[in-house]
Amino acid sequence: DTGVSQDPRHKITKRGQNVTFRCDPISEHNRLYWYRQTLGQGPEFLTYFQNEAQLEKSRLLSDRFSAERPKGSFSTLEIQRTEQGDSAMYLCASSFSGVNTEAFFGQGTRLTVV
Amino acid sequence: QQQVKQSPQSLIVQKGGISIINCAYENTAFDYFPWYQQFPGKGPALLIAIRPDVSEKKEGRFTISFNKSAKQFSLHIMDSQPGDSATYFCAARDSGAGSYQLTFGKGTKLSVIP
Repeated sequence: DTGVSQDPRHKITKRGQNVTFRCDPISEHNRLYWYRQTLGQGPEFLTYFQNEAQLEKSRLLSDRFSAERPKGSFSTLEIQRTEQGDSAMYLCASSFSGVNTEAFFGQGTRLTVV
Repeated sequence: QQQVKQSPQSLIVQKGGISIINCAYENTAFDYFPWYQQFPGKGPALLIAIRPDVSEKKEGRFTISFNKSAKQFSLHIMDSQPGDSATYFCAARDSGAGSYQLTFGKGTKLSVIP
């Protein structure tokens, strides 16, 4: 297992288009997180899954955003009707459950909305 | 409301010197404090982490100092090398909050000059 994998690495889209990103977590990690990172800022929490259940969503996650983790393995993050303000790095992280757990991040998907 | 404040925003250190990055937090429920290193175009990578039951943790050239009463923690990089040039993020987590989401500082861009 080579770590958290994200696809695509880069995405350029026109404003108003829909985009979908994929995250493959470290196998056997039952927690999966999505974060957003804008230029010059730290990552900001968007949402997280415990297995296939989406248990928490940040207020940053507008109704144009939807995330799924259908079988408790990979996850997708879809943005509908993209806006220029959606341009950012979208990071996925995974971890085991429990108090003494570390979160490992993927390389991210860089989204540019033109 | 910024829950984790990080300083300085940027830091230039000569090779062989000590790099010091400071963070302060407000939420007393935070109980896990990791540091992440991020290179351009890459996702954050866990560097070292500390829990509030200890005041210092050292791993190789990297040391975290933790002051619970002051709600501050810092990263010290000894014998800084050009390869350490990256952006460093402190983070904090409230393990009792359920989601184990990380709250990040805004980052410190470290440049180590030969």
